[in-house]
Amino acid sequence: GEDVEQSLFLSVREGDSSVINCTYTDSSSTYLYWYKQEPGAGLQLLTYIFSNMDMKQDQRLTVLLNKKDKHLSLRIADTQTGDSAIYFCASRGGANNLFFGTGTRLTVIP
Amino acid sequence: GAVVSQHPSRVICKSGTSVKIECRSLDFQATTMFWYRQFPKQSLMLMATSNEGSKATYEQGVEKDKFLINHASLTLSTLTVTSAHPEDSSFYICSAHPTGTLMNTEAFFGQGTRLTVV
Repeated sequence: GEDVEQSLFLSVREGDSSVINCTYTDSSSTYLYWYKQEPGAGLQLLTYIFSNMDMKQDQRLTVLLNKKDKHLSLRIADTQTGDSAIYFCASRGGANNLFFGTGTRLTVIP
Repeated sequence: GAVVSQHPSRVICKSGTSVKIECRSLDFQATTMFWYRQFPKQSLMLMATSNEGSKATYEQGVEKDKFLINHASLTLSTLTVTSAHPEDSSFYICSAHPTGTLMNTEAFFGQGTRLTVV
């Protein structure tokens, strides 16, 4: 399998931008994903990026991909208290399975 | 979007008993479903790939006799934790991919099952 790593915690003030980082090891990953997990709930897909792109923007979300460094980031603009959750990055493997990072717990301070 | 229903959402069982978790795709067919396990403060780890009509493929270190997977139809996969022990307590989550779709199709996740073995 592949290794996908994230920092465990991030705290930001409401209204600020949040940037969650992720690194992965498999250079053949074709798709990279960001999921949100709220307490006791399943995973919600936020966005994904194809490996031949370096940026994707979707409303408040901006994904940046540096394929050379195998680095992925998720920026949430104007972070709200409802954004508090665990955010997982994931890399798609060859059999459609996903390799997940450890998740970053985002805490938004009012 | 497509819906995957996982049941039960929470279960508490006694040590030594077996627990069955269902993963059902409600509005699409899924030839392949995946089962993940998540320990507190850790990432989701792929346990096995469930294939409709054939045996599941287990990841290294996952005991196939302990975690029985049955994918009897295109809309249902079950995971049975046999002879459960407290160390099996975890959050189990399934995902499903619609059959016949392209590689970039998203996986749809169930809401997860929190298993507590006492």
